[in-house]
Amino acid sequence: QSVLTQPPSVSGAPGQRVTISCTGSSSNIGAGYDVHWYQQLPGTAPKLLIYDNNNRPSGVPDRFSGSKSGTSASLAITGLQAEDEADYYCQSYDSSLSVVFGGGTKLTVL
Amino acid sequence: EVQLVQSGAEVKKPGESLKISCKGSGYSFTSYWIGWVRQMPGKGLEWMGIIYPADSDTTYSPSFQGQVTISADKSISTAYLQWSSLKASDTAMYYCARLRGNHYSDFDYWGQGTLVTVSS
Repeated sequence: QSVLTQPPSVSGAPGQRVTISCTGSSSNIGAGYDVHWYQQLPGTAPKLLIYDNNNRPSGVPDRFSGSKSGTSASLAITGLQAEDEADYYCQSYDSSLSVVFGGGTKLTVL
Repeated sequence: EVQLVQSGAEVKKPGESLKISCKGSGYSFTSYWIGWVRQMPGKGLEWMGIIYPADSDTTYSPSFQGQVTISADKSISTAYLQWSSLKASDTAMYYCARLRGNHYSDFDYWGQGTLVTVSS
């Protein structure tokens, strides 16, 4: 059981908008620690997608955005494309456990 | 260009020891924490621990404390993950990754992964 809870799967049609939630607690996200998001394409290493809640590294399309409120965070993907089909993970810091990851969400593009 | 290049896949028997490596290049290796992340077959990412190569300050996840050893040799810009006695349950892909800032920050660069298979 991961400290950060994500839905196991989400899906959407090409062009649609999907969101992936990441729910934590008062010892991690709710304590003010930043949330980061990673995309893992099949058979590859994770890639940083969003850092510090809502910042995109150079090269990441602006179709990807992040937000954080209270003890939760969300990743939004607009204009869904077939190439977005991947696993997505949130990451934060927990005051008792140090670095923590969410369980991951598999995005299927219908 | 920042790169983290990991050692190749390993096949080991239960009870054997193993040390895998992660070589950094394209940046000041001693200025960034390096972390290790486990991904068991078909499962999610699990943080194992981090090391600061400048002074080898190390923090382990409670789940991995005592199970593995993380070390670094700053003279050759390389971090290591080692086991003294492997178990079948250690079968997984292991990634090293660079922490962009302090313990609270993101992993901005990742190695390609090292697949460890433990089987009798």
